[in-house]
Amino acid sequence: DAGVIQSPRHEVTEMGQEVTLRCKPISGHDYLFWYRQTMMRGLELLIYFNNNVPIDDSGMPEDRFSAKMPNASFSTLKIQPSEPRDSAVYFCASSRDRGATEAFFGQGTRLTVV
Amino acid sequence: AQKVTQAQTEISVVEKEDVTLDCVYETRDTTYYLFWYKQPPSGELVFLIRRNSFDEQNEISGRYSWNFQKSTSSFNFTITASQVVDSAVYFCARSYIPTFGRGTSLIVHP
Repeated sequence: DAGVIQSPRHEVTEMGQEVTLRCKPISGHDYLFWYRQTMMRGLELLIYFNNNVPIDDSGMPEDRFSAKMPNASFSTLKIQPSEPRDSAVYFCASSRDRGATEAFFGQGTRLTVV
Repeated sequence: AQKVTQAQTEISVVEKEDVTLDCVYETRDTTYYLFWYKQPPSGELVFLIRRNSFDEQNEISGRYSWNFQKSTSSFNFTITASQVVDSAVYFCARSYIPTFGRGTSLIVHP
């Protein structure tokens, strides 16, 4: 398997624009996680899915953020409208189960909102 | 919230020194798992090791070793004879939904 694939790797956008980050998890993994990494807050869990169903979105910072998983091989994280404070590295990860096995991470999307 | 604490923000050593990265966790679960990940300068997160709460045996893998002590809720990571390539940020995490510490930046000078 190619691992968790995220796109784009880098995104620069203007404040107010919509941003969509994409993730393809490892085939057969039932759990998908979206994390955000910043210097101030470290690695924060935003939302996770089990079998394509959102289970816990309590980490989503505000209503501007939304995430979907229309099928087992694709997830999106959308920010609309984007703000400069959303600038961060966003990671997608997948695992076979809720935590007994390790999560595999994508290479991340570095988002810069100017 | 059940936290994972990595008190060392940054450690700087000279090559060939041994270095220990500390991790203290909180959990209400009787069964749980602990992890260490490495984030090199290239930015990806690389899984290093997983331990379950039933197994307190120390583990050694090459230059890496891990000390898990349930009594003190600690899961420390030691690199023996450090090398420049070990320079990275190291994260400790616990299950069930992977919760990460703030990370320890290790800088190994030649």
